[in-house]
Amino acid sequence: QVQLVESGGGVVQPGRSLRLSCAASEFTFSVYFMYWVRQAPGKGLEWVALISEDGSNKYYADSVKGRFTISRDNSKNTLYLQMSSLRDEDTAVYYCARVLYNYPWGMNVWGQGTTVTVSS
Amino acid sequence: QSAPTQPPSASGSPGQSVTFSCTGTSSDVGGYNYVSWYQQHPGKAPKLMIYEVTKRPSGVPDRFSGSKSGNTASLTVSGLQAEDEAEYFCSSYAGRNNLVFGGGTKLTVL
Repeated sequence: QVQLVESGGGVVQPGRSLRLSCAASEFTFSVYFMYWVRQAPGKGLEWVALISEDGSNKYYADSVKGRFTISRDNSKNTLYLQMSSLRDEDTAVYYCARVLYNYPWGMNVWGQGTTVTVSS
Repeated sequence: QSAPTQPPSASGSPGQSVTFSCTGTSSDVGGYNYVSWYQQHPGKAPKLMIYEVTKRPSGVPDRFSGSKSGNTASLTVSGLQAEDEAEYFCSSYAGRNNLVFGGGTKLTVL
């Protein structure tokens, strides 16, 4: 069935970098916008980044702009999030999510999430 | 960009109806018909319940319905069931390729 599987989370020191991956399966990955959305412990959802179908357009939340980079490899059906200069407040579960077809403001397929903990 | 406001909690008995509110501004909820609602059970990923204010994805029961008036969007769950107990988040397009999420409302089914 349609599936997204995140990986790459872990414990990292402040100021360091980490790369998350999201493997997509059972759908045509290359025709969908994709998101990274995070959720800090006990908190609500926060969108992090959005990328267009072909990767030519990328958008970021102000909280991560200049530090995080979203990318994708359509030949590998994989979405990435390169995180640098990590801060304590970046600690969260990070989800990748697929949008509805032709509607980038709603996400109808979500991964199970990968946990990033920023701590010294 | 501030988040739309959602009451932190709501409750209802099985069979009853409950309505969640999501109050934003004319720059987000009031300015676009791009409001979505998500259901999240503890430890699980969110699930899309409503998009474009009123539309239901396939597989979502018609007990779930959405509406909007001015800067406030609403999600109504009718015929409450035990499995509806979860947290509900609204989201809205906020212009300039920004998305905002509300703080969430925890629903308790009594």
